[in-house]
Amino acid sequence: DTAVSQTPKYLVTQMGNDKSIKCEQNLGHDTMYWYKQDSKKFLKIMFSYNNKELIINETVPNRFSPKSPDKAHLNLHINSLELGDSAVYFCASSQDPGGRAWDEQFFGPGTRLTVL
Amino acid sequence: QKEVEQNSGPLSVPEGAIASLNCTYSDRGSQSFFWYRQYSGKSPELIMFIYSNGDKEDGRFTAQLNKASQYVSLLIRDSQPSDSATYLCAVSHSSASKIIFGSGTRLSIRP
Repeated sequence: DTAVSQTPKYLVTQMGNDKSIKCEQNLGHDTMYWYKQDSKKFLKIMFSYNNKELIINETVPNRFSPKSPDKAHLNLHINSLELGDSAVYFCASSQDPGGRAWDEQFFGPGTRLTVL
Repeated sequence: QKEVEQNSGPLSVPEGAIASLNCTYSDRGSQSFFWYRQYSGKSPELIMFIYSNGDKEDGRFTAQLNKASQYVSLLIRDSQPSDSATYLCAVSHSSASKIIFGSGTRLSIRP
């Protein structure tokens, strides 16, 4: 199946821990994104990478560090987790950097992070 | 002022009627506009995009864009229970390097 996949689907952890979420797309897209969706369903971009290069970093705390080993993968590492980090994190990909009319973003299934 | 504003709802519409979802945006340089549908517990999926003033129709869905009023809407004709979902309006930033999402309108189609 061609798709955007994320692991894990659920992540429950204690405050202060470090965790990673992995994302892979096999659509051949050049651009990948991380979004955070809070309890009010507000979907906010965190990072985007185009061909492994960071192009957007939206004032995200530096506890969050994205890593793109190749253009098909974009992982998210979070240090010193806080209660406010609890949310659903979506990975997405598109052919070009977002914003063009034809530029559909394909989303992964999401990772529900719960920090206790 | 939020960059992309939507009424959070819930918007309740009887089955078979027309559902009308509205969105306003603040960046006059925005060029592309998207409607995504998100079922509960699922990821967003694109339904329509529009970039010219006027109407764009695709099956039961019609997107309407008025750049002068900075307003975009989505009409769903012959609403079905399967249309019950949250609809996210998204607008391209004028730098064209990202899109900004609204907080979504929850639509409920009652049988």
